[in-house]
Amino acid sequence: DTGVSQNPRHKITKRGQNVTFRCDPISEHNRLYWYRQTLGQGPEFLTYFQNEAQLEKSRLLSDRFSAERPKGSFSTLEIQRTEQGDSAMYLCASSWTAEAFFGQGTRLTVV
Amino acid sequence: LAKTTQPISMDSYEGQEVNITCSHNNIATNDYITWYQQFPSQGPRFIIQGYKTKVTNEVASLFIPADRKSSTLSLPRVSLSDTAVYYCLVGVYGGATNKLIFGTGTLLAVQP
Repeated sequence: DTGVSQNPRHKITKRGQNVTFRCDPISEHNRLYWYRQTLGQGPEFLTYFQNEAQLEKSRLLSDRFSAERPKGSFSTLEIQRTEQGDSAMYLCASSWTAEAFFGQGTRLTVV
Repeated sequence: LAKTTQPISMDSYEGQEVNITCSHNNIATNDYITWYQQFPSQGPRFIIQGYKTKVTNEVASLFIPADRKSSTLSLPRVSLSDTAVYYCLVGVYGGATNKLIFGTGTLLAVQP
């Protein structure tokens, strides 16, 4: 296992389009997190899964954002009707114990 | 969740010991203290976690006083490759709400 994998690594989209990102966690990890990070800021919590259950979702996440983790394995984060303010790095992390392992992120640019 | 306060930036030279202090005055009884490191264009990487007193691993030490209202990450003999942003996080490990909340972190710049 090579760690947390995120795809795509980069995505450029036009404003108003929908985008979907995928995260493949480390296989035995039951917890999965999504974060968003903009330049000069720390990662901002978006949502958290334990197995397939989405236990928490940030109020910062508008109705345009949705995340799923079917069967408690990989996860997808979808952004509908993208806006320029959605441009950021989207990070996924997984954990089994106290240590969370992060992927390299998907950089989204909305033009 | 307890809020954390760290210096925005720190400078050091190669070979020196670096201590980064984090304040968390409202830490709860069940909260652990965790530090992450982040390089540009990469996800954060776990460094160390502790609850009280001192924890040491192969890369760092974490000092936590008795009142637990602050903690200090100690990096021995830093090198240029330790230039990164360091985040202090406080939260319950293993609880129903164990999301990781990051602040703005401390940018450590190591110079030759």
